[in-house]
Amino acid sequence: DTAVSQTPKYLVTQMGNDKSIKCEQNLGHDTMYWYKQDSKKFLKIMFSYNNKELIINETVPNRFSPKSPDKAHLNLHINSLELGDSAVYFCASSQSEQASEAFFGQGTRLTVV
Amino acid sequence: LAKTTQPISMDSYEGQEVNITCSHNNIATNDYITWYQQFPSQGPRFIIQGYKTKVTNEVASLFIPADRKSSTLSLPRVSLSDTAVYYCLVGDMINSGYSTLTFGKGTMLLVSP
Repeated sequence: DTAVSQTPKYLVTQMGNDKSIKCEQNLGHDTMYWYKQDSKKFLKIMFSYNNKELIINETVPNRFSPKSPDKAHLNLHINSLELGDSAVYFCASSQSEQASEAFFGQGTRLTVV
Repeated sequence: LAKTTQPISMDSYEGQEVNITCSHNNIATNDYITWYQQFPSQGPRFIIQGYKTKVTNEVASLFIPADRKSSTLSLPRVSLSDTAVYYCLVGDMINSGYSTLTFGKGTMLLVSP
């Protein structure tokens, strides 16, 4: 069983559309994250969600909104997609925010055309 | 936030030991040093974490000098499958956790036959 799974793996969409990426972890972790890896391979944290509190990175546009129906799921919804949103988005989880190890999903390659 | 500096790339041959050094001159008292590995089209994978001196696991060793201003990830007897990008991360794992960890550009390790 995959520990952290994301769907879809690839997503091609037009500018202005709204899309969602789903993430599920079966590790029983309390903390989940969304990261963005751009074309230059920089991997930046977007959000972390600790089951009690959502920590928002202030550099993330408010078109991006995480939604967590339960602690095993953290979905990412993106409104009004822009060309610059094209990137690989990774979901991750850890036992707690202070855990030494985070487990990453396989990534979702989003292409906005 | 402590900033890290790593070589952009390194080359090695199968069977050799590879040492990747990371500089973090502004490391703070509560900062831990964590290394991740990323294969193409996959999410990062945790390798090792340490605070001071030496840490060893089944995959690698992490050497941290007394001043903690640098660290060296040591991969014994690399194989072709160790070709990947290696990231050094420094952050306050006690108070802030993963929310504050920043992935830099990493070191692209190429292992040749």
